[in-house]
Amino acid sequence: GAGVSQSPSNKVTEKGKDVELRCDPISGHTALYWYRQSLGQGLEFLIYFQGNSAPDKSGLPSDRFSAERTGGSVSTLTIQRTQQEDSAVYLCASSLGGLARDTQYFGPGTRLTVL
Amino acid sequence: QKEVEQNSGPLSVPEGAIASLNCTYSDRGSQSFFWYRQYSGKSPELIMSIYSNGDKEDGRFTAQLNKASQYVSLLIRDSQPSDSATYLCAVSNSGYALNFGKGTSLLVTP
Repeated sequence: GAGVSQSPSNKVTEKGKDVELRCDPISGHTALYWYRQSLGQGLEFLIYFQGNSAPDKSGLPSDRFSAERTGGSVSTLTIQRTQQEDSAVYLCASSLGGLARDTQYFGPGTRLTVL
Repeated sequence: QKEVEQNSGPLSVPEGAIASLNCTYSDRGSQSFFWYRQYSGKSPELIMSIYSNGDKEDGRFTAQLNKASQYVSLLIRDSQPSDSATYLCAVSNSGYALNFGKGTSLLVTP
């Protein structure tokens, strides 16, 4: 079956511009996660959605970052007024439920470069 | 800050040898432990999960967990050049985020 898909695969933007990153989770998965992987760094949790519950936004690094999930499926991560330190690979993952033992399946990522 | 620590490597082993990858974590409330493999330019893929103290084997891979020592390891037997990748240790204490280490780079030489 289809895995997690993300678009675009690459995004180059100028400092100060807004960007939107899209994630399509595996069909039937209720939990969706966004992570960020900067060069030489581990994956950093950003935000978590579970069904129709309020998202856990505890990992968002600043108020320039926001995310939404429409209809319990597709998610969009928005970064406003991008900065050079936002350059990273943004990874989306989904799991069947939100349980600790549920495997998180990762998408291919969006590589964001802020000039 | 809940830490997950891994030696960055690179760890170099000859083909056919056993590769041993280690990870320590700081949060004693951690319940679930995962090893992901990440090839260069690709996304992480799960290779092992472990939840109880002891060993768990799956093919050439064995995960070991010692909660008292807050230590989890991954052994790869009969290492192959295709095993060359970065191995990420991830820890969870809830159903939410995975807390990842920075990864250990493994190089298996023919």
